[in-house]
Amino acid sequence: RKEVEQDPGPFNVPEGATVAFNCTYSNSASQSFFWYRQDCRKEPKLLMSVYSSGNEDGRFTAQLNRASQYISLLIRDSKLSDSATYLCVVKGGGSYIPTFGRGTSLIVHP
Amino acid sequence: GAVVSQHPSRVICKSGTSVKIECRSLDFQATTMFWYRQFPKQSLMLMATSNEGSKATYEQGVEKDKFLINHASLTLSTLTVTSAHPEDSSFYICSARDEFRTTGNTIYFGEGSWLTVV
Repeated sequence: RKEVEQDPGPFNVPEGATVAFNCTYSNSASQSFFWYRQDCRKEPKLLMSVYSSGNEDGRFTAQLNRASQYISLLIRDSKLSDSATYLCVVKGGGSYIPTFGRGTSLIVHP
Repeated sequence: GAVVSQHPSRVICKSGTSVKIECRSLDFQATTMFWYRQFPKQSLMLMATSNEGSKATYEQGVEKDKFLINHASLTLSTLTVTSAHPEDSSFYICSARDEFRTTGNTIYFGEGSWLTVV
């Protein structure tokens, strides 16, 4: 089993739709969780950290489920500009090296 | 603005030559930087962890004699692809963590370097 797993997609949704991605991790001792966004041929950029209590930033909501070892990202009212690859990043559990999922591709169409 | 700067952003080189890529943390110090490689439609793959003042730690399957890493200061790490071949063509990205801040968990990425070996 891979350390961090994501459904590669693509998720193809219309503008205004709500879409959710999950990311599972295998190391139960992991401590830090993040969602990064990567546009085509660009470097990843931090979208949001994921806190135990869950957190929201505008149309984006991230949640952590430690019992089931997954994190989620919910995007409401999708915009065309949300089209990108969303990377799940997990860190900790005895290592300071971040581990990346392969990313989930989102395509928002008119 | 960028907090980690990577240079060059694009480079084309001939097969058999060497290419150096620089990664700089602009407004913080990093004892550790990470080098990744990403092939089209693939995930970021960690190549090595660059340690300031000591040898880099390479991931399994990454040739340390081919991918030379030097981390001579707290703000600069370099990756040199030696004797490059077309299969080395890829997107190389560095990252660093502002570990001296109390909440130093955020990972900052360089802009990436597109290497094309012809």
